[in-house]
Amino acid sequence: EADIYQTPRYLVIGTGKKITLECSQTMGHDKMYWYQQDPGMELHLIHYSYGVNSTEKGDLSSESTVSRIRTEHFPLTLESARPSHTSQYLCASSGAGNTEAFFGQGTRLTVV
Amino acid sequence: KNQVEQSPQSLIILEGKNCTLQCNYTVSPFSNLRWYKQDTGRGPVSLTIMTFSENTKSNGRYTATLDADTKQSSLHITASQLSDSASYICVVSDRGSTLGRLYFGRGTQLTVWP
Repeated sequence: EADIYQTPRYLVIGTGKKITLECSQTMGHDKMYWYQQDPGMELHLIHYSYGVNSTEKGDLSSESTVSRIRTEHFPLTLESARPSHTSQYLCASSGAGNTEAFFGQGTRLTVV
Repeated sequence: KNQVEQSPQSLIILEGKNCTLQCNYTVSPFSNLRWYKQDTGRGPVSLTIMTFSENTKSNGRYTATLDADTKQSSLHITASQLSDSASYICVVSDRGSTLGRLYFGRGTQLTVWP
């Protein structure tokens, strides 16, 4: 069982609201990732981090922002949610080298 | 362009039967290949991870093969169970960057019927 947690699991909010999706891991991993996945589609990398105070944008352009103030915590924020942000957001982490990535359970976001 | 292609897109089999899922990739330079199982609405869970020198790796009823020359992998599921119904995702990692970028296939949606 991977020790990486995402909250909330499900979120329905109105357009224009600010939201933060939480992701925490207790494995001491330096690398953390955020992926976006639409139903039946592949995962797309939107943000990643090599360690504390390191954040980079991924392959898929996203209006969200991330921060990495602590090793174990990698929250994702949307300043003003829109219906186009409706998707599943998956957080992952991996250790040193090119090792296995562990995924959280995901947050299913619906913006109405 | 680094890509991962999976086939079939979806598959329906009867409980107890075997099946094989395919993965072709063009990721270079290659580091490792992973198969994940993703239940609906949940995060992917790792089944196997193989490096360049490994041809076969098993995890219970799951057996993955890798041919690094032809850049092909397969996942064989033996004696399928209803709980095997899920999306199976092939993920290839490169070694051309510190990140070890992961490239995801779209997955094969497997449904096991009783």
